[in-house]
Amino acid sequence: QKEVEQDPGPLSVPEGAIVSLNCTYSNSAFQYFMWYRQYSRKGPELLMYTYSSGNKEDGRFTAQVDKSSKYISLFIRDSQPSDSATYLCAMSAEYGGATNKLIFGTGTLLAVQP
Amino acid sequence: DTEVTQTPKHLVMGMTNKKSLKCEQHMGHRAMYWYKQKAKKPPELMFVYSYEKLSINESVPSRFSPECPNSSLLNLHLHALQPEDSALYLCASSDSNYGYTFGSGTRLTVV
Repeated sequence: QKEVEQDPGPLSVPEGAIVSLNCTYSNSAFQYFMWYRQYSRKGPELLMYTYSSGNKEDGRFTAQVDKSSKYISLFIRDSQPSDSATYLCAMSAEYGGATNKLIFGTGTLLAVQP
Repeated sequence: DTEVTQTPKHLVMGMTNKKSLKCEQHMGHRAMYWYKQKAKKPPELMFVYSYEKLSINESVPSRFSPECPNSSLLNLHLHALQPEDSALYLCASSDSNYGYTFGSGTRLTVV
């Protein structure tokens, strides 16, 4: 079993749709949860982060973490063609860089059709 | 300056060549990372430097040799690579669990 699983697979939605992306994980030590957006041929860009369980909203984006279920989600409202990218969940267990590992999910390629 | 700068952006090298990838950040971040990303796959951690010392090596083959000359610079020296090492190599820096900043990467092709 992979440490972090992400779904759905490639996703195509019409402009204005609500998009739901999800990750499950197996390591109960994970406490820091992030969503990255990666455009083609670019590095990942941090979108959202949360610590432990809870919700966080930033404009059209909402991140949710349920540690009891080991499940995190990213919701995108009123999706735009500019949101077309690969979305990666990522998580880590520790604070600081000395022994910190950021573990990524497999990614979801999102295409928003105008 | 809130960027991680990686050079070169593209690199083609033969299997007998020696080359180096460079990464620079001026955000004062004390941790720096090398990740490898194959097409349609997530980034995979290779090395972690903390306060200019190597703290994690994810069992990376010795043909990849990292170096951290100072707190702003990170190099990845490449020697005798294989075609399967072709990938996007990403550098990142962080001063917290949230503040990971990635560069745009070096797209490496080994011929």
